[in-house]
Amino acid sequence: ETGVTQSPTHLIKTRGQQVTLRCSSQSGHNTVSWYQQALGQGPQFIFQYYREEENGRGNFPPRFSGLQFPNYSSELNVNALELDDSALYLCASSRPTGGTEAFFGQGTRLTVV
Amino acid sequence: AQTVTQSQPEMSVQEAETVTLSCTYDTSENNYYLFWYKQPPSRQMILVIRQEAYKQQNATENRFSVNFQKAAKSFSLKISDSQLGDTAMYFCAFMKHTGSTLGRLYFGRGTQLTVWP
Repeated sequence: ETGVTQSPTHLIKTRGQQVTLRCSSQSGHNTVSWYQQALGQGPQFIFQYYREEENGRGNFPPRFSGLQFPNYSSELNVNALELDDSALYLCASSRPTGGTEAFFGQGTRLTVV
Repeated sequence: AQTVTQSQPEMSVQEAETVTLSCTYDTSENNYYLFWYKQPPSRQMILVIRQEAYKQQNATENRFSVNFQKAAKSFSLKISDSQLGDTAMYFCAFMKHTGSTLGRLYFGRGTQLTVWP
């Protein structure tokens, strides 16, 4: 048990729609990262938030955006969904100051039809 | 840019036997970390073992150990006394040392390990 929870666990959306995925981290974990894991692939880094500010971004278009809140929860928003956005979305949080261990949630399986 | 390569899409081993999963990586960084993560069907990524690049001694965690060859950029995972619960997808991952915050993880494509009775 990592103490990181994601909701919902599964989601089906239609192409062109918008979706919000949520992640609740452990208390005190002020860094959260989001990853996209396509079927049969390793996770790919989307972006990271540190103290409620974006702190690094992978090769994803601007229609992928995020928020981090003071209560250690965060959101991943995806606009104008495409079929290729179908994937498992993972969030990972870490302790403040020098943490090298990422605590992952169980993921949200998004299917775009 | 960092890349992580796992050349074995699937491996299988009999219970109680030993298995080694391979991983190579490419980086120009000198200060970094390497990880093996396990992803069972529950989908939650679980840290198995971590290696700091500046440490020459190979990391061990109970039945899990690594063979870290920095010059060859090789980082293999050995699982001894395999158990049925070890059945999972295993990912090798790289992280550059960033100081105060968690760095970005670069993952390989994974190796599906099946332990059979």
